[in-house]
Amino acid sequence: NAGVTQTPKFQVLKTGQSMTLQCAQDMNHNSMYWYRQDPGMGLRLIYYSASEGTTDKGEVPNGYNVSRLNKREFSLRLESAAPSQTSVYFCASKGQPNTGELFFGEGSRLTVL
Amino acid sequence: DQQVKQNSPSLSVQEGRISILNCDYTNSMFDYFLWYKKYPAEGPTFLISISSIKDKNEDGRFTVFLNKSAKHLSLHIVPSQPGDSAVYFCAASYNSGGSNYKLTFGKGTLLTVNP
Repeated sequence: NAGVTQTPKFQVLKTGQSMTLQCAQDMNHNSMYWYRQDPGMGLRLIYYSASEGTTDKGEVPNGYNVSRLNKREFSLRLESAAPSQTSVYFCASKGQPNTGELFFGEGSRLTVL
Repeated sequence: DQQVKQNSPSLSVQEGRISILNCDYTNSMFDYFLWYKKYPAEGPTFLISISSIKDKNEDGRFTVFLNKSAKHLSLHIVPSQPGDSAVYFCAASYNSGGSNYKLTFGKGTLLTVNP
């Protein structure tokens, strides 16, 4: 029972490089989310997708793009990585409309040098 | 502007005693509140939630209290166990039944339960 799977788990980039974080869920959930966690800052929403074919900006979207490839997959792309994007990234999904619980992946630790 | 505030970055308690984690919010539109627990190198996991129509929700050792007039909620853990040592995040949402649902998180409180 995989739940929410993120890849890669670790990545080191140089400033200006690009990369894509992949996320897939096997729970047939409609909504998917990308959060970042920084020390002393909690979890901040980058982008979310309420359903397949839709995406919306969250609290800190600058420097990121997303793609909701299908119902299962929601990717986060850094086109030109900056040191300020060094963080731990979490993907999450939500199923039932009236249930508030989000299910999180294990996280992807990204370091930008 | 931080809409969900956890003003205590850390809390230390003895095993068997009560742990009380606090959370304040500023957005009166919030209608659903959750607590998440996070161990190092793992994703957050859901712990307990409460709707704004209630003032208390209990699940085993965990109880969440909501005071809407004070815009304050708290998580009580009784008795505390060493395995409860983790970062606890408070989260809130509105439009809980709608499609554009999203959670706003606090900064977290590191709970340490000492044997």
